[in-house]
Parts: sequence; structure tokens; C-alpha cells
Amino acid sequence: AQTVTQSQPEMSVQEAETVTLSCTYDTSESDYYLFWYKQPPSRQMILVIRQEAYKQQNATENRFSVNFQKAAKSFSLKISDSQLGDAAMYFCAYISGTASKLTFGTGTRLQVTL
Amino acid sequence: KAGVTQTPRYLIKTRGQQVTLSCSPISGHRSVSWYQQTPGQGLQFLFEYFSETQRNKGNFPGRFSGRQFSNSRSEMNVSTLELGDSALYLCASSIGQGAIADTQYFGPGTRLTVL
Repeated sequence: AQTVTQSQPEMSVQEAETVTLSCTYDTSESDYYLFWYKQPPSRQMILVIRQEAYKQQNATENRFSVNFQKAAKSFSLKISDSQLGDAAMYFCAYISGTASKLTFGTGTRLQVTL
Repeated sequence: KAGVTQTPRYLIKTRGQQVTLSCSPISGHRSVSWYQQTPGQGLQFLFEYFSETQRNKGNFPGRFSGRQFSNSRSEMNVSTLELGDSALYLCASSIGQGAIADTQYFGPGTRLTVL
């Protein structure tokens, strides 16, 4: 069974600084996709970024980028120029290439301070 | 395009009752998945529907059921409610074409409280 581990329950970053959230996963499959979702206090789950396992290039979306290390099964999220609106729970998620079920990590609560 | 919508947003029920939650996917999306989120268990997959058929199912008791209509809207039903069913129920939609793992887009959730 696939598992996703987020070892940082909470992180804090100052506004305008950079923070990295960690995620590791375990799978025996070669075809899969990884995601970071953000869940603010409103509880709406918002897609931040997606990475296909077959792509070597790390995905980037504006201030958000990932460091995808396939051999190490690591998928970290870097947030640059942090903003107050980035404060939320961040979930790392895995999905098999032929499945429809997302497996989530336990989440990292990110605080952004002035 | 309008996003995923879920109704109602909040529900309060008592033990033993049953409840039905509704989800309308993004226009053009044919797959709808349901997740339960609790502080203790985190986010857990309930089931997924595609073209009115349950395509995948999580490890939940038979009290949890769902269905999908021809317009891709989905409903989830929980019978004989237990206190432990109190949770945020999230619905997600995706295009659902073939065997490709599509990106899932989530609705705002339904907060169910069982007293």
C-alpha cells in the first residue's frame, strides 16, 4: 500500500521569507502523480502544484516550486516570498497513474508571521 | 467555470438518523470522489464514481453509500449515524477519462455533526 509521510506538523515563516515543507512517500509503482494541496481556515482544499513522476523537471507555479527526488521518494514544496495568505494546512498527496484514489499525508500547518 | 459545489454546508444530526450529502462537479467532469476528514484519521478516501458506476471504494462500512446521476452529480448517504461519523466530507471532481490519474478539484465540504 502506498503511504505519504509529512514529518513536520507545524512550520513558521516570516513574511517575504522562503520556507520548505517536506514530504516522503512509499510506492512500488513507476507511474504516479504527486500533489500539494492547501487548506486554509475556510476548509476549501486548493490545488497548489502537481508533479508527474515520469517528468524529471521540477514543477513550478509562481512562488511555489517542488524538489522532486524520485529515487529518494521525496517531494518537498518550497514557498518563496511568503505572504500572509499562505497561512494554511498543506497536504502532500499521491495518486497511482491508473487509480482514482488520493492518499494524503497528515499535513503541515504553516504559520506566516509579520 | 463554476467550481465544485456541495450542499448543505453544515448538518447536525442525532445518532441513528441518516443523512444525504450532495455534490455537483465542475462542468465537463465525469468523475466524483468523496473523502472524509477527521482530526484523528485525517483524510480518507470513501469512494469514486464515474459514469454512474462506482469505480473505486475505500475501507468504510456499508452504512456509507453513494450514487451518481447521469448529469455527473453525486450523492453520498450515511445511514444509522454514529458519533464517529462527525467529520468534514469533501467531494472532488476530475475529468475522469480512461485510466489517467486526473487532477482532483475539491468542493468546500459539508461539515456533519452527529449528536
